[in-house]
Amino acid sequence: GQQVMQIPQYQHVQEGEDFTTYCNSSTTLSNIQWYKQRPGGHPVFLIQLVKSGEVKKQKRLTFQFGEAKKNSSLHITATQTTDVGTYFCAGSAGGTSYGKLTFGQGTILTVHP
Amino acid sequence: DADVTQTPRNRITKTGKRIMLECSQTKGHDRMYWYRQDPGLGLRLIYYSFDVKDINKGEISDGYSVSRQAQAKFSLSLESAIPNQTALYFCATSDRWTFYNEQFFGPGTRLTVL
Repeated sequence: GQQVMQIPQYQHVQEGEDFTTYCNSSTTLSNIQWYKQRPGGHPVFLIQLVKSGEVKKQKRLTFQFGEAKKNSSLHITATQTTDVGTYFCAGSAGGTSYGKLTFGQGTILTVHP
Repeated sequence: DADVTQTPRNRITKTGKRIMLECSQTKGHDRMYWYRQDPGLGLRLIYYSFDVKDINKGEISDGYSVSRQAQAKFSLSLESAIPNQTALYFCATSDRWTFYNEQFFGPGTRLTVL
């Protein structure tokens, strides 16, 4: 079945440093979504990427979807303590499975002030 | 999201007991999902339902069953709980008619099986 691998599992940064998490799928994806889970909370949708090579920005967050639609990345510029949490990518194969997501293992980000 | 509720929020039970986790939503979404979260393993899909009459197994359905009683309710049962089912369980919903089809998660149920 479809597998989505995400690295690194943990990332510790000083406030103001940049952060990147990477996501790789074993199969071509129809789209990829990113979620953030604050400590003690539940995952919350951040964004969806659909097109090959797509890049989207949300303030300090930049999301990319690979040309082959098998990999993606999330980059945070100048991290803040409010960025703390676990970031998940989640891929959809599309077709009759559209809406069914396979999540990566997540990257736990800690930010030291 | 307050529109997706899960009961109970915490549960401690013993091996062999039958447990039901309930999920309700007021978002009017047609699709509902059950996941479990374990450290280092992310969110793994247990079952999903694209409408009331549609139930599908996810990647880790063994030992679990579900019931979609109505569009707004989706229950997860552990027929005979075992310790390795100790985890954080999330229910989620989505709407097939939205562009992103993003999923909205409930607050989670922390289940401990002794």
